Amino acid sequence: AQKVTQAQTEISVVEKEDVTLDCVYETRDTTYYLFWYKQPPSGELVFLIRRNSFDEQNEISGRYSWNFQKSTSSFNFTITASQVVDSAVYFCALRVTDSWGKLQFGAGTQVVVTP
Amino acid sequence: DTGVSQDPRHKITKRGQNVTFRCDPISEHNRLYWYRQTLGQGPEFLTYFQNEAQLEKSRLLSDRFSAERPKGSFSTLEIQRTEQGDSAMYLCASSLAQDAAKNIQYFGAGTRLSVL
Repeated sequence: AQKVTQAQTEISVVEKEDVTLDCVYETRDTTYYLFWYKQPPSGELVFLIRRNSFDEQNEISGRYSWNFQKSTSSFNFTITASQVVDSAVYFCALRVTDSWGKLQFGAGTQVVVTP
Repeated sequence: DTGVSQDPRHKITKRGQNVTFRCDPISEHNRLYWYRQTLGQGPEFLTYFQNEAQLEKSRLLSDRFSAERPKGSFSTLEIQRTEQGDSAMYLCASSLAQDAAKNIQYFGAGTRLSVL
């Protein structure tokens, strides 16, 4: 069975601070994909990033960066220089290759950025 | 290119009534998913279509729930004899299944159901 754990329920920061969101996953599959989605108050889940299990290279995309470590089954996500518009719920999700693409989501982390 | 569209955005109903939600996926996407999200939780998978074929259903999908995608385009999710426990956000997502690497699901804004 697959499981995704986001231990942080809510994180509050002041604008321009960095925010790191933790995600720990469990799967027995050797090939899988990890995702981060953002859900603003409007409700629509917005795709942010995807990572394949066979590529542990960490990257930066604008103000977003991620740290994927298979050894600890973690896929952490960082927002640099946070802005008020970053306030949302962030979800980590796992997809295994034989699951017809269905996503297993964590419970989400609420990020509150104040001016 | 329009995104995933869901209708209605909000639905309030009385216990015991039937409700139907509609999802229009991104036009060229052949995979369509339904998820349910309750307050403070992440979305939970309900069911999945590839073209018009319903290929997987979660155990969460009781006999009161039925989903269709008759022509492989839009999909409907019907809940019969609604219960208060059905109150949730119902999310639809679509993707293009050319290969696993490209299978990113794009979500609609959801239908929020309140059962009184």
